Amino acid sequence: DAKTTQPNSMESNEEEPVHLPCNHSTISGTDYIHWYRQLPSQGPEYVIHGLTSNVNNRMASLAIAEDRKSSTLILHRATLRDAAVYYCILVKTSYDKVIFGPGTSLSVIP
Amino acid sequence: DADVTQTPRNRITKTGKRIMLECSQTKGHDRMYWYRQDPGLGLRLIYYSFDVKDINKGEISDGYSVSRQAQAKFSLSLESAIPNQTALYFCATTRGTTHTDTQYFGPGTRLTVL
Repeated sequence: DAKTTQPNSMESNEEEPVHLPCNHSTISGTDYIHWYRQLPSQGPEYVIHGLTSNVNNRMASLAIAEDRKSSTLILHRATLRDAAVYYCILVKTSYDKVIFGPGTSLSVIP
Repeated sequence: DADVTQTPRNRITKTGKRIMLECSQTKGHDRMYWYRQDPGLGLRLIYYSFDVKDINKGEISDGYSVSRQAQAKFSLSLESAIPNQTALYFCATTRGTTHTDTQYFGPGTRLTVL
């Protein structure tokens, strides 16, 4: 099964953009790229997903490499509330093979 | 009200005891999941259910069992708890019919086995 690789931790200054990278070199054609985040003492929450094209929503943007072997979650202006663990996962149709790795712990500095 | 609720939120128990963690959802979703989270390891799938009559083992099902009492309820049991089952447990739901569906997670149950 395809897996993802993310940096263990990253730091960002408040109100600056943050680019969170994810490598998924063994991604298959049927895998969607999903991002979730987990705020302290909470369950994970959905952020964004995509297949091939870049995606934008009110929370973030997702940039997907042309070969789909990597992607980047972009937070346009980091706030203190964005401090969380961010998970990049690959999803087939049923979430039965989803693997949540350790994720990237994002710290936001005031 | 929360879409996915879990009870209890915290539980301390002793080795060998039987424990049940409960999950309820108001999303109307057919698919429900139980995950376990250990520090530094992300989430690992224990069991999942696609409908009331369907139960499937996940990545780490040994030592656990589940019951899908209704569309909205999915319980996780530890028949004889052991200390290495100390972890944070999350229930999740999804409509699950396409790659694009979102998982909705509960707030978690922190279980400590002494």
